[in-house]
Amino acid sequence: GDSVTQMEGPVTLSEEAFLTINCTYTATGYPSLFWYVQYPGEGLQLLLKATKADDKGSNKGFEATYRKETTSFHLEKGSVQVSDSAVYFCALSDAGEATNKLIFGTGTLLAVQP
Amino acid sequence: NAGVTQTPKFQVLKTGQSMTLQCAQDMNHNSMYWYRQDPGMGLRLIYYSASEGTTDKGEVPNGYNVSRLNKREFSLRLESAAPSQTSVYFCASRVPTGLQQVTQYFGPGTRLTVL
Repeated sequence: GDSVTQMEGPVTLSEEAFLTINCTYTATGYPSLFWYVQYPGEGLQLLLKATKADDKGSNKGFEATYRKETTSFHLEKGSVQVSDSAVYFCALSDAGEATNKLIFGTGTLLAVQP
Repeated sequence: NAGVTQTPKFQVLKTGQSMTLQCAQDMNHNSMYWYRQDPGMGLRLIYYSASEGTTDKGEVPNGYNVSRLNKREFSLRLESAAPSQTSVYFCASRVPTGLQQVTQYFGPGTRLTVL
């Protein structure tokens, strides 16, 4: 079945460092890909998405490019801030499937130190 | 526009007790979902409802029941709670109009502890 694999955390960075969180997927169809963010004590918020190959999703300085050839959707940010500390989830949704359920990776905790 | 709301925010139950988690959305979405979040496992789908009057099992439905009361509300019931159901529960909703409309919107979650 479909699955998402993302890098284990925690990831600890200093403020203004470059961030990469790796995400790869396995899917039988043509999924849409998402990054969700969960701040401490809160629910999940959509950070960005891409619905087809070579699309780039971007929001709040974060970017991810849908790479079909490598089945990847890595999250990047050029300069992280303390306020970016959160858990980041990579997810996919197969639009061809009736449920359109989201399949999540296990999450990556990012801790940014001042 | 409150989005997706969930009640309660926190709950402690004893083994064998029952309770209902409530979820409502005011975005006129057709599809609604219940997930549970456990450490190191991401979120897993419990049940979903593609439209009012329909419900289907997800990945981990055992021990749960759901009701799609109307288009706005989708409740999750634990008939006899077990410690394995200690988790954070999230409700989500989605507009299923067209293949591009796949974004799900999440509620703030209910943190449930079963002793």
